[in-house]
Amino acid sequence: AQSVTQLGSHVSVSEGALVLLRCNYSSSVPPYLFWYVQYPNQGLQLLLKYTTGATLVKGINGFEAEFKKSETSFHLTKPSAHMSDAAEYFCAVSDRGTGGFKTIFGAGTRLFVKA
Amino acid sequence: DSGVTQTPKHLITATGQRVTLRCSPRSGDLSVYWYQQSLDQGLQFLIQYYNGEERAKGNILERFSAQQFPDLHSELNLSSLELGDSALYFCASSVGSAVRTDTQYFGPGTRLTVL
Repeated sequence: AQSVTQLGSHVSVSEGALVLLRCNYSSSVPPYLFWYVQYPNQGLQLLLKYTTGATLVKGINGFEAEFKKSETSFHLTKPSAHMSDAAEYFCAVSDRGTGGFKTIFGAGTRLFVKA
Repeated sequence: DSGVTQTPKHLITATGQRVTLRCSPRSGDLSVYWYQQSLDQGLQFLIQYYNGEERAKGNILERFSAQQFPDLHSELNLSSLELGDSALYFCASSVGSAVRTDTQYFGPGTRLTVL
């Protein structure tokens, strides 16, 4: 079974600083990887996804992530943090189980942005 | 606004009771997914329906059941409720049934509190 590990349940950055949220996955097959964002009292919103092809994936709101097979990583970055980026971020991988394909989520990383 | 609606927003009930959560997908979307988000278990996939048929199953308890109706709205039924069922329940929808590539759009969730 595939799994996702997000390093750091909380990350704090200053406004304008680099955002780096770490995600490692385990998979026995080529993975399909996702990053979602959850703002307070809202549902999840897809930021970006990696399926096949280019390993550097650009998403919404200036975020991007790079798939590194050798490191089994899919870290999320943004060059300059905005106050509006404060939210919880989830890395996810699609997994094929006995009941069909499903999305497996990491535990989440809460991003705090300091003024 | 993702276009996915969920009712009710909040639900408070007692142990042993039964509740029904309702989800209306985005216009044109044929798949509906249900997820449970709790502090101890994180975000977990429960079940997927595609055009009225069960497509994939995750960690859904036997006390829980779901269905998708001809108008494509879906209901999640939770019975014999326990304290541990208190959680945020999300519905998501997508155009097709391909979990790995179709973008899922999440509703705002129903917060269930079991007392």
